[in-house]
Amino acid sequence: AQTVTQSQPEMSVQEAETVTLSCTYDTSESDYYLFWYKQPPSRQMILVIRQEAYKQQNATENRFSVNFQKAAKSFSLKISDSQLGDAAMYFCAYRSAPGSNYKLTFGKGTLLTVNP
Amino acid sequence: ETGVTQTPRHLVMGMTNKKSLKCEQHLGHNAMYWYKQSAKKPLELMFVYSLEERVENNSVPSRFSPECPNSSHLFLHLHTLQPEDSALYLCASSQEGVGNYGYTFGSGTRLTVV
Repeated sequence: AQTVTQSQPEMSVQEAETVTLSCTYDTSESDYYLFWYKQPPSRQMILVIRQEAYKQQNATENRFSVNFQKAAKSFSLKISDSQLGDAAMYFCAYRSAPGSNYKLTFGKGTLLTVNP
Repeated sequence: ETGVTQTPRHLVMGMTNKKSLKCEQHLGHNAMYWYKQSAKKPLELMFVYSLEERVENNSVPSRFSPECPNSSHLFLHLHTLQPEDSALYLCASSQEGVGNYGYTFGSGTRLTVV
């Protein structure tokens, strides 16, 4: 079974600075998807960024980018120019390539604090 | 209304009560999910419905009973719950077959069992 590990329970960053959240995963599959979700106090999980394992290019969405290292099974999230609204719980998630397995497997999360 | 809507937002129930959680998605997705989110634990997948058929049941106790009457609605019927069932229950949907295969989540129901 796949597992997702987020080794940083909490992180903090100063407003306007850059922070990197770590995620590693364990799988024997070669084709899969990786996601970062954000959960603010409103509780709704919001998709931040996704990466297909077959793509070598790292995904980027505005101030959010990933460093995907397939061989190392590492998928870190970099937030540039941090804003107060970025404060939230961040979850890394894994999903097998589309087929019969619908499951999204989550890590335990990293609580990000943004200091003004 | 768009997205995934869950009601009620908060629910307090006794161990002998029967209640239901409701989820509605307005995205035209063909799969829906129930997840349980407890403190200090990863999100746990409970049930998966694809095209209104249950395709996965992750060893969930029978006191939780899901229902999917159509592709837009998903219910979680609760009865004789235990205090350890107190958690945030999240509903999600996805479009299988095409798309980015990520889920769209609702805001959850915070359940407290007393």
